[in-house]
Amino acid sequence: GAVVSQHPSRVICKSGTSVKIECRSLDFQATTMFWYRQFPKQSLMLMATSNEGSKATYEQGVEKDKFLINHASLTLSTLTVTSAHPEDSSFYICSAPSGTGNYGYTFGSGTRLTVV
Amino acid sequence: GDSVTQMEGPVTLSEEAFLTINCTYTATGYPSLFWYVQYPGEGLQLLLKATKADDKGSNKGFEATYRKETTSFHLEKGSVQVSDSAVYFCALRRTGNQFYFGTGTSLTVIP
Repeated sequence: GAVVSQHPSRVICKSGTSVKIECRSLDFQATTMFWYRQFPKQSLMLMATSNEGSKATYEQGVEKDKFLINHASLTLSTLTVTSAHPEDSSFYICSAPSGTGNYGYTFGSGTRLTVV
Repeated sequence: GDSVTQMEGPVTLSEEAFLTINCTYTATGYPSLFWYVQYPGEGLQLLLKATKADDKGSNKGFEATYRKETTSFHLEKGSVQVSDSAVYFCALRRTGNQFYFGTGTSLTVIP
């Protein structure tokens, strides 16, 4: 079946540094990638939607200059957390439509980001 | 706005016990409802879904019924196994591609 490979699974970085999270579709073309994040004891919330070859669309309250999304190819979308701060510590997960109909979505395994 | 509320975990059960994870939702119109499961180290996988009121989704012994009158979609399994240990997410989707997820419920089944 369709697989989205997400890396890294865990990352610890210092405040002020940048971290890149990659999501690759391994056996299908992902023209769209959804990026979610989950703060402790809260729901998974949609952050942004990226489309191959165009600018990402960000949800209200998400800083586009802080969370840089690049979707340069049909198999790779990246999220870069720039100048990370402890409040950016969260669980980030990507998802792409991968099947027929309305329910074929494939999720990555998630990235646990800790900023110290 | 749309939202999903699910019971907080973690939940620990003995093998062969009965499982219920409660999920209620708030949405206008008629959303589709989903349960996703995330096994350790893996991505979220669709477990089951229901697209209209009174539909029952089922898979791998799990069931959930779309109850519009109580705006609920509780997940049940009659006899859990150790291999069911995972995090379970309730979600809804109305139109378009956006999902609204609950907080996730961690289930641990002990032998």
